[in-house]
Amino acid sequence: GAVVSQHPSWVICKSGTSVKIECRSLDFQATTMFWYRQFPKQSLMLMATSNEGSKATYEQGVEKDKFLINHASLTLSTLTVTSAHPEDSSFYICSAGRVQGGETQYFGPGTRLLVL
Amino acid sequence: DQQVKQNSPSLSVQEGRISILNCDYTNSMFDYFLWYKKYPAEGPTFLISISSIKDKNEDGRFTVFLNKSAKHLSLHIVPSQPGDSAVYFCAASQNTGNQFYFGTGTSLTVIP
Repeated sequence: GAVVSQHPSWVICKSGTSVKIECRSLDFQATTMFWYRQFPKQSLMLMATSNEGSKATYEQGVEKDKFLINHASLTLSTLTVTSAHPEDSSFYICSAGRVQGGETQYFGPGTRLLVL
Repeated sequence: DQQVKQNSPSLSVQEGRISILNCDYTNSMFDYFLWYKKYPAEGPTFLISISSIKDKNEDGRFTVFLNKSAKHLSLHIVPSQPGDSAVYFCAASQNTGNQFYFGTGTSLTVIP
């Protein structure tokens, strides 16, 4: 089946530094990828839609200058948390679909970010 | 390899009837399970959860059943309503709140 990977799986950083998270579709091309932030135990918040070759579409309330998204190729999207602060500590998950607009989504395993 | 599987990509149900969405997992260490509902162009929203110490959790029209021996959980919606038409994802984690593994979703259509 389709696999979506994320790297790193966890990261600890100091406040003020930037952290880059990669999301890769390993055996299919994805023109669109989605980035989510998972809050403890429950809610999954859509942060932005990453579009290959164009700017990402951010959800209301998500700072585009803080969460930089680059969809460099059909198999790679990156999320950079700039000038990270402790409140950015969370679990970040990406997903991708094989067919543009298709409903089946393959989720990455997530990246746990801890900002000290 | 997918540790959480939703083998039915789609399901159609008449309004008023029961919708049953199924989810299977492979890791016996999973101890917390969630169901999400997703409308087109929106992110998934949390629907209901269950921990491994229970075999059933009910919230209004939604009930989740967990069969640990079969590594299977299901979401029952009774009665189904047209507004329930959406994609439903199940997810599982080990040590509640840690890494979550998602199924690929089942698209439910409730026919009026």
